[in-house]
Amino acid sequence: GNSVTQMEGPVTLSEEAFLTINCTYTATGYPSLFWYVQYPGEGLQLLLKATKADDKGSNKGFEATYRKETTSFHLEKGSVQVSDSAVYFCALSSSRNAGGTSYGKLTFGQGTILTVHP
Amino acid sequence: ETGVTQTPRHLVMGMTNKKSLKCEQHLGHNAMYWYKQSAKKPLELMFVYNFKEQTENNSVPSRFSPECPNSSHLFLHLHTLQPEDSALYLCASSLDRGAEAFFGQGTRLTVV
Repeated sequence: GNSVTQMEGPVTLSEEAFLTINCTYTATGYPSLFWYVQYPGEGLQLLLKATKADDKGSNKGFEATYRKETTSFHLEKGSVQVSDSAVYFCALSSSRNAGGTSYGKLTFGQGTILTVHP
Repeated sequence: ETGVTQTPRHLVMGMTNKKSLKCEQHLGHNAMYWYKQSAKKPLELMFVYNFKEQTENNSVPSRFSPECPNSSHLFLHLHTLQPEDSALYLCASSLDRGAEAFFGQGTRLTVV
């Protein structure tokens, strides 16, 4: 079955530090990959996505590249801010089979807590 | 604002109570989901509805009863819950199953 593994947290950084949160996956079919962010007291919000190998998703200074050869989708940001403090979830969906019909569901990693200090 | 609205935001209920959680989306999505998020546990998918039909029930106890009267509304009926059911319950929708999901802000449930 599908699975997503994220690096253990919590991650604590100083403002303007470089961020990497590792994510690896196992999946059948042709998965799409996502990063979601959850701010305190809120639901999950889609941060970025990539739908095929070598695609790079980006948003709000965050980036992740779909690496099929290493089955990875690591999240990076060059300079974090205090406002980036949140929980980050990597997810995948085997949303389409070879015929293009959507059949899958989202599988989430366990989440990584990020705290950024001033 | 993601277009998925959950009510109430907070709920405290006794173990003998019956209550319902409501989720509404007007994004034109065909799939809707209930997730449970407990402290220090991964996000748990509870139920999936696709075109109003339940397509997945991940061994959820019968004290949780979902209802999807139309593709825009999803309910989770709760009765005789246990304290360990206290969690954040998240509703989500997507254009179709497996597509990117849009989440509501969740209902923080406390069972006393």
